Amino acid sequence: QVTLKESGPVLVKPTETLTLTCTVSGFSLSNGRMGVTWVRQPPGKALEWLAHIFSNDVKSYSTSLRSRLTISRDTSKSQVVLTMTNLDPMDTATYYCARTPFGQYGDNWFGYYCDYWGQGILVTVSS
Amino acid sequence: DFVMTQSPDSLAVSLGERATINCKSSQTVLYSSNNKNYLAWYQHKAGQPPKLLISWASTRESGVPDRFSGSGSGTDFTLTISSLQAEDVAVYYCQQYYNAPQTFGQGTKVEIK
Repeated sequence: QVTLKESGPVLVKPTETLTLTCTVSGFSLSNGRMGVTWVRQPPGKALEWLAHIFSNDVKSYSTSLRSRLTISRDTSKSQVVLTMTNLDPMDTATYYCARTPFGQYGDNWFGYYCDYWGQGILVTVSS
Repeated sequence: DFVMTQSPDSLAVSLGERATINCKSSQTVLYSSNNKNYLAWYQHKAGQPPKLLISWASTRESGVPDRFSGSGSGTDFTLTISSLQAEDVAVYYCQQYYNAPQTFGQGTKVEIK
């Protein structure tokens, strides 16, 4: 059974750094063709793709947030960690992690769709 | 980045009637080497995480009712709900996974008329 669960602070002050953890079960972060994606949704707005990491440690980031994001994995703990620096009230959102199968075709690596999702965590940025 | 544009932003459909949502990509998501369209559709209900409905533009996920279907290729795609049910009220998103960073459409809200 595949499960993902987000954890972290629910209230963060502006300019602080946010660290979110996604704890997974039912698949491996160290082998196989699975990765984890982070997606967020500000209140009343659309889904926004943030970053993903594969089991071969390939990573990709949102263009607009690249300078503020870091994604990493701890395979011993079955966890993927997303850090976001210099938070602003506009970063208030529900943050989701999701399982992402990936594959290779020729020299290209592709992260695919998000087939299992965590319940999400609402993070509020406010002083 | 690939820009995904959905239309309409919202639609109201009577129970049992057809709902059609369009998604247009700024660049092709058809990978010519394997002839696959790298496009997914999600259903997002309030208070729940998004749910994957369709991958590869037209492959319905296990357990998804067959009233949901996906079509299209290249840059233009459609999600069709053939007979709208009350439980289908949600926001629907398309997503391209042809290129990183992946991107979502702005969403289409489906309501009952």
